[in-house]
Amino acid sequence: GAGVSQTPSNKVTEKGKYVELRCDPISGHTALYWYRQSLGQGPEFLIYFQGTGAADDSGLPNDRFFAVRPEGSVSTLKIQRTERGDSAVYLCASSFGGQGASPLHFGNGTRLTVT
Amino acid sequence: GDSVTQMEGPVTLSEEAFLTINCTYTATGYPSLFWYVQYPGEGLQLLLKATKADDKGSNKGFEATYRKETTSFHLEKGSVQVSDSAVYFCALNDFNKFYFGSGTKLNVKP
Repeated sequence: GAGVSQTPSNKVTEKGKYVELRCDPISGHTALYWYRQSLGQGPEFLIYFQGTGAADDSGLPNDRFFAVRPEGSVSTLKIQRTERGDSAVYLCASSFGGQGASPLHFGNGTRLTVT
Repeated sequence: GDSVTQMEGPVTLSEEAFLTINCTYTATGYPSLFWYVQYPGEGLQLLLKATKADDKGSNKGFEATYRKETTSFHLEKGSVQVSDSAVYFCALNDFNKFYFGSGTKLNVKP
């Protein structure tokens, strides 16, 4: 079946611009996660949705970052006034949620470059 | 808070050598533990998992045992292949929040 889909795969933007990154999770997965991965590092937690609501957004670095999941499926990560330090690979993952043993299934990520 | 620490790489081995990648964790609850693998140019994939103490996860010849007493989940393989060259990430899930180690790059030479 279809896996987690992320678009675009690459995004180059100028400092100060607004960007939106999209994630389409695996059908039936109620939990959706956003992570950020810098070169040579492991994924860093940003936010986690259970259904439509953000269950934990403690990883969002500041108020320039915001994410939504209005219908409990597709999610959009929004970054305002981008900075060069925001350059990274943004990963989306989904799972059945509600169970500790349910693993994350990752998309291939969006590589964001802020010039 | 929760965290995962894994050995730094890169690890370079010859084909058919024995592999160990160390992973230790800190958790406030009773986490599930995972190993993920990232092959060159690909996304993160689940390799194996264990959900409680003394469980052994295994897949593709890789194994890891959940050791609560030492808070460890070391990854092992008896005979590595060139195709195992990748970056390996140890991870835990505690209260539906996943924490990842920084990754260990494995290079296997023919």
